[in-house]
Amino acid sequence: EAGVAQSPRYKIIEKRQSVAFWCNPISGHATLYWYQQILGQGPKLLIQFQNNGVVDDSQLPKDRFSAERLKGVDSTLKIQPAKLEDSAVYLCASSHRRSRPFSPLHFGNGTRLTVT
Amino acid sequence: SQQGEEDPQALSIQEGENATMNCSYKTSINNLQWYRQNSGRGLVHLILIRSNEREKHSGRLRVTLDTSKKSSSLLITASRAADTASYFCATVDITQGGSEKLVFGKGTKLTVNP
Repeated sequence: EAGVAQSPRYKIIEKRQSVAFWCNPISGHATLYWYQQILGQGPKLLIQFQNNGVVDDSQLPKDRFSAERLKGVDSTLKIQPAKLEDSAVYLCASSHRRSRPFSPLHFGNGTRLTVT
Repeated sequence: SQQGEEDPQALSIQEGENATMNCSYKTSINNLQWYRQNSGRGLVHLILIRSNEREKHSGRLRVTLDTSKKSSSLLITASRAADTASYFCATVDITQGGSEKLVFGKGTKLTVNP
């Protein structure tokens, strides 16, 4: 099966600019996640979708970050305006279904964002 | 929220040696997962161990779980240079809204020298 696709792989922007990331999950995967991974740390969940509904966005800085999942498939994550501390790798992941016990996640290779 | 904490933060060994990484967590779990991340890539799921299991094997990987100590260990036997990566444990946390989310530790960076 094809893996989780993300684009772009790298992005460099200046602070206060806006940026958008795109993710295409594995076909048939109902649950989609966006994680932020700062250098040297583990991934931190930003937002979780079940189909096209938001399940959890408690750690999403909603004053500058937004995300949507179109028709329950592709997803975009936007930052506007960006801050220096947003420099990180943004990882998209998907899983087959929201089930107990928690299904393993399949990750894309991420987008490395540098804010100067 | 609970979060797995890996130990050590970094580990450097010679090819052929065994590598052991530990993970401690705070609250009760129904499963614990281990992931690997190669430099510049996404995370890859390695193994899942359920709370009623004490040990699980997958190829050169052996995972143990001690729920009384709230800890897990990942053992890689006969390590290879290709095992060089960061390894993360992950546990399920329940959000305020009652949904489940997977929470990762900070990881152990393993370097296997040829």
